[in-house]
Amino acid sequence: SQTIHQWPATLVQPVGSPLSLECTVEGTSNPNLYWYRQAAGRGLQLLFYSVGIGQISSEVPQNLSASRPQDRQFILSSKKLLLSDSGFYLCAWTPGGADNSPLHFGNGTRLTVT
Amino acid sequence: GQNIDQPTEMTATEGAIVQINCTYQTSGFNGLFWYQQHAGEAPTFLSYNVLDGLEEKGRFSSFLSRSKGYSYLLLKELQMKDSASYLCAVMDSNYQLIWGAGTKLIIKP
Repeated sequence: SQTIHQWPATLVQPVGSPLSLECTVEGTSNPNLYWYRQAAGRGLQLLFYSVGIGQISSEVPQNLSASRPQDRQFILSSKKLLLSDSGFYLCAWTPGGADNSPLHFGNGTRLTVT
Repeated sequence: GQNIDQPTEMTATEGAIVQINCTYQTSGFNGLFWYQQHAGEAPTFLSYNVLDGLEEKGRFSSFLSRSKGYSYLLLKELQMKDSASYLCAVMDSNYQLIWGAGTKLIIKP
């Protein structure tokens, strides 16, 4: 069966510090991978998605970036965090080539920028 | 613009039935999803509707009317563990998911 791992679960970082969140998927090949952010009382905001290694689509221009160095690994990064980057970050996957499959989420990372 | 509307919060009693509505206006339609999200946790998939009608899964059912841009999630025999937020999401013509802000459901004994 497929599983998705996301870490860390919680993170407190000062403004201006770098960020690296990692997500890996097991039990499937060539998945579609996604990074979402959820602010309190708001809908899920798609940040990045990837349909293959090195293929990243950005939905929201900001100081975040994403990379997919391996087929089942997706990384969210920032060089300098802002206070507004605080939120709940979720990695998710769907089977490659399946346009209307439900998203399967990792457990999320609660990021607090101080 | 594209828009999903759901009530912000609802309260129901343990053992009762509750209906959570979702209305949408999107550029095209390729299906509607319902997710459950407990506080502090990730969303989990509940149901998918792409054709009009009712889909039943145990205590949970989801209904879709494409002509009305309307869906509801029906929860029967409510249990305390059903206290959670319920997220409605619509896939548009480009297969992009548009998310509602979610409905927080509070179950009282």
